[in-house]
Amino acid sequence: GENVEQHPSTLSVQEGDSAVIKCTYSDSASNYFPWYKQELGKRPQLIIDIRSNVGEKKDQRIAVTLNKTAKHFSLHITETQPEDSAVYFCAASLSLDNYGQNFVFGPGTRLSVLP
Amino acid sequence: KAGVTQTPRYLIKTRGQQVTLSCSPISGHRSVSWYQQTPGQGLQFLFEYFSETQRNKGNFPGRFSGRQFSNSRSEMNVSTLELGDSALYLCASSLDSSVLPDTQYFGPGTRLTVL
Repeated sequence: GENVEQHPSTLSVQEGDSAVIKCTYSDSASNYFPWYKQELGKRPQLIIDIRSNVGEKKDQRIAVTLNKTAKHFSLHITETQPEDSAVYFCAASLSLDNYGQNFVFGPGTRLSVLP
Repeated sequence: KAGVTQTPRYLIKTRGQQVTLSCSPISGHRSVSWYQQTPGQGLQFLFEYFSETQRNKGNFPGRFSGRQFSNSRSEMNVSTLELGDSALYLCASSLDSSVLPDTQYFGPGTRLTVL
C-alpha cells in the first residue's frame, strides 16, 4: 500500500524567513496531494493541494511543488509569520476507480515561527 | 455552507464500555471518512462510507465499526474500549463527484479518553 514520509518532524524558523517541508510517497499511481494545517486543539484545515498533472501551485505566501518522477512533493511558506506556527500534514491520495479515494497522511511537521 | 460537524466534542469512558460518535458532513457531500489521530501514530484511516455503504476500510480491529444514513450523516462505534483507544477521532467529508480526485474537509473531532 501507499506510504508517505515527511521531513523534518520539527522545524523552527525566524519570522520572515522561509520554511520548506518535504514529503515522499511510494505509489506512483497517487494523483492528488493535499496539505493540511492543524493548530493546537483545532481541526486540520486544507491550505493548498496539487493534482498530478500539475508541477507547481502557488497561493499567496504558500506554494507546493510536485516531482512525479522522484515521487516527492514539497510545501514552501515564504515570509513566515507567528500565526503560521502549527502542525502541517501532507497526504497522498490514490483514486480507486468506482471505489473513491485512499488518503494516506504523513506523520506531520511541527513548525514554530519565532518572533 | 456549514462545515463538517461532530458530536460530542469530548467523551470520557472506562475500559470495556462502548461509544458512538456522530458526524454530519457538509451539505451535499456524500462521502464520509473517519480517522484516528494520536500523537504517536498520526492520522490513521479507519473507514469510508458512501451511499450508506462502507467503501474502504483501514487496518483496525472489528471493535471499530460505522454506518452511514440516507442523509449522509455517519456514526462510528467502538465496542469494548481499551486504554489505547484514547485519541482524537476526526471525520472528513468530500463531495465525491464523478470527477476524482476530490478534496476532504475535516470536522473538529471528538476527543475520546478511556480510563
